[in-house]
This record gives sequence, structure tokens and C-alpha cells, in this order.
Amino acid sequence: GDSVTQTEGQVALSEEDFLTIHCNYSASGYPALFWYVQYPGEGPQFLFRASRDKEKGSSRGFEATYDKGTTSFHLRKASVQESDSAVYYCALGDPNTGKLTFGDGTVLTVKP
Amino acid sequence: EAAVTQSPRNKVAVTGGKVTLSCNQTNNHNNMYWYRQDTGHGLRLIHYSYGAGSTEKGDIPDGYKASRPSQENFSLILELATPSQTSVYFCASRLGSQNTLYFGAGTRLSVL
Repeated sequence: GDSVTQTEGQVALSEEDFLTIHCNYSASGYPALFWYVQYPGEGPQFLFRASRDKEKGSSRGFEATYDKGTTSFHLRKASVQESDSAVYYCALGDPNTGKLTFGDGTVLTVKP
Repeated sequence: EAAVTQSPRNKVAVTGGKVTLSCNQTNNHNNMYWYRQDTGHGLRLIHYSYGAGSTEKGDIPDGYKASRPSQENFSLILELATPSQTSVYFCASRLGSQNTLYFGAGTRLSVL
């Protein structure tokens, strides 16, 4: 079945550091790829998506590029802020059912 | 922005008891989903629905039932709750065909 692997379970950075969270997927067909962010006490929020090879998704300074060759969709941000502290989920979408398959999540902590 | 409301926000249940978690969305979305969130497992799909009267099994349906009596409402039912069902449950609805899911704030369930 479809699956998503996030390499980092936890990431600790200082403000203005560069962020990379690695996401690799396994799926039949051509899924859409997503990043969601979850703040304490809230549900996951849509960050952005990409649907085609080499397409870049971006929002709030975060970005990721769909790479079908390496089956990856790594999240990056050039300069993180304390307010970026949250849990980040990579997900792939089944185009027929609409259901999302999520990775295990990465806890990002940014120190001032 | 899509509005998805879950109730209750917190629930304590006894082993063997019946639990019903409710979800309401006011944006006329066809598809709705129930996920559970556990540390180390991310978000896992329990049941989903394509519209009123429809329910489908997700990846981990055992021990759960779902009910979609109307476009707006989607319930998750635990007929005989067990401690292993202690978790945070999220409802989501789907906007159009782009796989973007909008989540509620979650229900924290403890089964003692």
C-alpha cells in the first residue's frame, strides 16, 4: 500500500536557521503530495500541495518540490522563527478516494 | 475557510461502554473522514464517507463504526470501547477534487 516516510522525528533549531525535513513516499500511480502543520491543541492545517513532477509548492516561507525520480517532497525554509514551532506532516493523496496517507510527523522546536 | 466542528472536545469512557464522537461541517463538502492520532503513528484513517448514507472502511476500521445521516454530520461509534482506543480523534472534510482536507480541532478520548 501507499506509505510516507519522514526521516526526522524531532528537529531542534535556533531562530534564523535553515530548515529541512525529509519526506519520501511510496505509491502506485501519481499521487498529489502535501505538507500539513499542527499547532498544540489544534487540528492539522493545510500548508501547501504539489501535483506534478518538478512542481514547487510553497506557503508562509516554506517550500517543497515534487521529485518523482527520488520519490521525495522535502520541506525547506530558509530562516525559521520561534512561531514555526509545531508538528509537520507530509502526506500523499489518493486521487480516487480523496483520502490522505500521512507520515509519522516531525516535531520542530525553534529556540529564540 | 472550511468549518469543521467536533464534539465533545474531551471524553472519558469506561471499558465496554459505548462512545459516539460527532462531527459537523457547514460547507457542503461531500467527503468526510475520521482519523486517529497517536505518538509514533501519525494520523491513521479509520472510516470515510462520500456523502449522506455512505460509509467506507479506512486503514484501521476494526472496533469502530461510522454513520453519515446527512451531508453535514459524520459520527464515529465505538460500540465496546477498549483502553487501546484511547487517542485523539480528528474529523476532516474534503474540498472539491484537490484532496485538500480541512480538519476539526479534535476529540481527546480516554478509555479507562
